[in-house]
Amino acid sequence: DVKVTQSSRYLVKRTGEKVFLECVQDMDHENMFWYRQDPGLGLRLIYFSYDVKMKEKGDIPEGYSVSREKKERFSLILESASTNQTSMYLCASSLDLEGGSYEQYFGPGTRLTVT
Amino acid sequence: GQQVMQIPQYQHVQEGEDFTTYCNSSTTLSNIQWYKQRPGGHPVFLIQLVKSGEVKKQKRLTFQFGEAKKNSSLHITATQTTDVGTYFCSVAGGTSYGKLTFGQGTILTVHP
Repeated sequence: DVKVTQSSRYLVKRTGEKVFLECVQDMDHENMFWYRQDPGLGLRLIYFSYDVKMKEKGDIPEGYSVSREKKERFSLILESASTNQTSMYLCASSLDLEGGSYEQYFGPGTRLTVT
Repeated sequence: GQQVMQIPQYQHVQEGEDFTTYCNSSTTLSNIQWYKQRPGGHPVFLIQLVKSGEVKKQKRLTFQFGEAKKNSSLHITATQTTDVGTYFCSVAGGTSYGKLTFGQGTILTVHP
């Protein structure tokens, strides 16, 4: 079974702190994604990566950056956390399979609270 | 990019009643996926539809892709308390990277 793990289930940070969220997948997937989930807004894509050191902005990249130094690991960085970044953060991975299934495998999520 | 509108946002049913959620787009979709997220859990892939008029079944769940490929539905027959959660539709973009755009989700509550 594909396993996607995230470094923390719950995290509390102060405004202005630099925050690192880590995601690791064990199935050699090419693609990795970071979403945030807020009530009534569904899942919104922050950034994604299709290869090591490659990244593309999603729909809401402002205030975030990412790093992918190894294929299995994708990090989300909040350079200076703000209260409007309080949310559930979900990491996902998928195979690069053109024309095939777009199934994504999600991690358990990190509920981040910025005070 | 492609956008999908999902309705209703909430649905409360009595156990044993049927449930349907709809996903609509103003543009033709090449594919659509459905995910389920249990309370406190993470989204889990249910199915993918790619053909016009396609119908797929998983036990009490029936998934349809419209003839014009602009809408899709998920229907649950005789709901059970284990069906509670949020159901999302998603569509994949035009690259092989598998970038998905999700609908807002329908939160299903089942009263025993």
